Amino acid sequence: EVQLVESGGGLVKPGGSLTLSCAASGFSFGSYSMNWVRQAPGKGLEWVSSISSSSYYIYYADSVKGRFTISRDNAKNSVFLQMNSLRAEDTAVYYCARYDYDDNSGWFDPWGQGTLVTVSS
Amino acid sequence: DIQLTQSPSFLSASLGDRVTITCRASQGISSYLAWYQQKPGKAPKLLIYAASTLQSGVPSRFSGSGSGTDFIFTISSLQPDDFATYYCQQLISYPLTFGGGTKVEIK
Repeated sequence: EVQLVESGGGLVKPGGSLTLSCAASGFSFGSYSMNWVRQAPGKGLEWVSSISSSSYYIYYADSVKGRFTISRDNAKNSVFLQMNSLRAEDTAVYYCARYDYDDNSGWFDPWGQGTLVTVSS
Repeated sequence: DIQLTQSPSFLSASLGDRVTITCRASQGISSYLAWYQQKPGKAPKLLIYAASTLQSGVPSRFSGSGSGTDFIFTISSLQPDDFATYYCQQLISYPLTFGGGTKVEIK
């Protein structure tokens, strides 16, 4: 079964740091780009960051650029999101998702169950 | 950045109704559009990719169409399990973006 499991969420003070992990199983992890998407309470989906299969290409949303770092360990089938200088507006459920594609398009599937990050004093 | 304008943001419908949601891109995205369903407290689920291709295992009452800037998502006959929030997403260029979502509720 193709599966993604996030961990590492929790309560952190403004200005603090947290690292999220996403463990993949059931597919050839090193062949896929991976992504982080977040959802603030009661709000819509916001793409956060993407990393290519070899880590050569990395992209960030402007809202997190310079504060968040995405990385991956293909030997451990895991992708990470290091979050620094956290702000109240970073409070959200963070999902990891696999990027798949064909000749005509791309899509995110599957998604993990999400991990909640709360930034509050 | 490519903006996706999804409408309506909310709709109330009855079982058996035909439901249509539109997603308009601020610039052409070819067929690089996906549709997701999300239920409260759950992760999004892929329904349609490449604007009109049904993901394996997804019921055939769901469909998508469009190319370029204008896209349509349709549920042909609304079922109890379909009450959820639906999002479109463009995947042609970074930053990847989502539409604002459409919440489908029971009338």
